[in-house]
Amino acid sequence: QVQLQQWGAGLLKPSETLSLTCGVYGGSLSGYYWSWVRQAPGKGLEWIGDITHGGYANYIPSLKSRVTITVDTSKDQFSLNLNSVTAADTAIYYCARNWDLWGQGALVTVSS
Amino acid sequence: QTVVTQEPSLTVSPGGTVTLTCASSTGAVTTGFHPNWFQQKPGQAPRSLIHDTNNRHSWTPARFSGFLLGGKAALTLSGVQPEDEAEYYCLLLCGPIWVFGGGTKLTVL
Repeated sequence: QVQLQQWGAGLLKPSETLSLTCGVYGGSLSGYYWSWVRQAPGKGLEWIGDITHGGYANYIPSLKSRVTITVDTSKDQFSLNLNSVTAADTAIYYCARNWDLWGQGALVTVSS
Repeated sequence: QTVVTQEPSLTVSPGGTVTLTCASSTGAVTTGFHPNWFQQKPGQAPRSLIHDTNNRHSWTPARFSGFLLGGKAALTLSGVQPEDEAEYYCLLLCGPIWVFGGGTKLTVL
């Protein structure tokens, strides 16, 4: 059974860089697209971006200048980096595969 | 950027039927938007119910149906169960990017 496991720093200061990784266990990156989604406290879902196995990425325009999604096929992992964070980036961050499989979510809090 | 609109809240009685809709600010929703529907309960990750307009996953109960209706994507729940009380999100592919709707809070009362 394929599972997604997320990890990364949960508490950041303003201007720091958010870094999260999603590992694919029991499966492979091949043949799917891999997404990051976030949900601010009490708010709805927001698509951040996605990446293919081959490394082609798309991003939401509002975050495009600050976000990078990368893939490491040797480790079956993909990662999210979001630089210059502010309190507005406080959210639960989810990774997902083709929308049918989701990670457990990771709360990232930005606070001075 | 495209705005995707859902009903903020709906209430349905147990055993009843309810339809949630999903509209795009750019015009009619078609199969080319690859509509997806998700259910999210408090403290849980979203769970996909419907992909590509009307396709259920193996875990999706048959009482959930996706379709297009009057230029919108729609999700109908027939024979609603108490456990269907949740937030429901639609998701549309708008060009190269995905856009979530604001969510519909479904109350079963």
